[in-house]
Amino acid sequence: DTEVTQTPKHLVMGMTNKKSLKCEQHMGHRAMYWYKQKAKKPPELMFVYSYEKLSINESVPSRFSPECPNSSLLNLHLHALQPEDSALYLCASSQDIQRGADTQYFGPGTRLTVL
Amino acid sequence: AQKVTQAQTEISVVEKEDVTLDCVYETRDTTYYLFWYKQPPSGELVFLIRRNSFDEQNEISGRYSWNFQKSTSSFNFTITASQVVDSAVYFCALSEPGGFKTIFGAGTRLFVKA
Repeated sequence: DTEVTQTPKHLVMGMTNKKSLKCEQHMGHRAMYWYKQKAKKPPELMFVYSYEKLSINESVPSRFSPECPNSSLLNLHLHALQPEDSALYLCASSQDIQRGADTQYFGPGTRLTVL
Repeated sequence: AQKVTQAQTEISVVEKEDVTLDCVYETRDTTYYLFWYKQPPSGELVFLIRRNSFDEQNEISGRYSWNFQKSTSSFNFTITASQVVDSAVYFCALSEPGGFKTIFGAGTRLFVKA
């Protein structure tokens, strides 16, 4: 089973709202990722968690706050977003980032619209 | 620096035609990994293949085949007898062992018309 689930599928929020995106995998993977993808562009890495610890933050603005409550779950907390943050947010997981270059399996994404 | 180039922005074919998607990569490392992903309109990136730099054997999986040539730093993807369901954006990607980042190409949008 190579399934990564994400909720919600669609989210519309105002610039003053606080919302969260959720990602879950049950493949026993120890690395989890958040990507942002704008239309007609490749995914851009935002954060990487390895063994539930934040390993990479690609200079993402603080209005995006990741959280990894356990090895299966990854959240992305959103606060005071801007309209330019509207995008498809993809979650991915891989077996073990320390081994390097493990295949990343992606979820279906959350389409976020900021009004 | 690592780089992945997918020069074809969009390709349009008629069903049952064969189509090849090009991927050229740059890296200074001798050990690296190459990937292809498919992204249908639904948005999910679907893993298709992973190939390490020491394995130049071409691979075939059903209607899909991949041609890896280190001499030209290319990892091309061919779909034989294309179908409408193959319509999607296809991304080629590069990663290094111990590296945390996967470098994606810009993607090639494939339209298969019935």
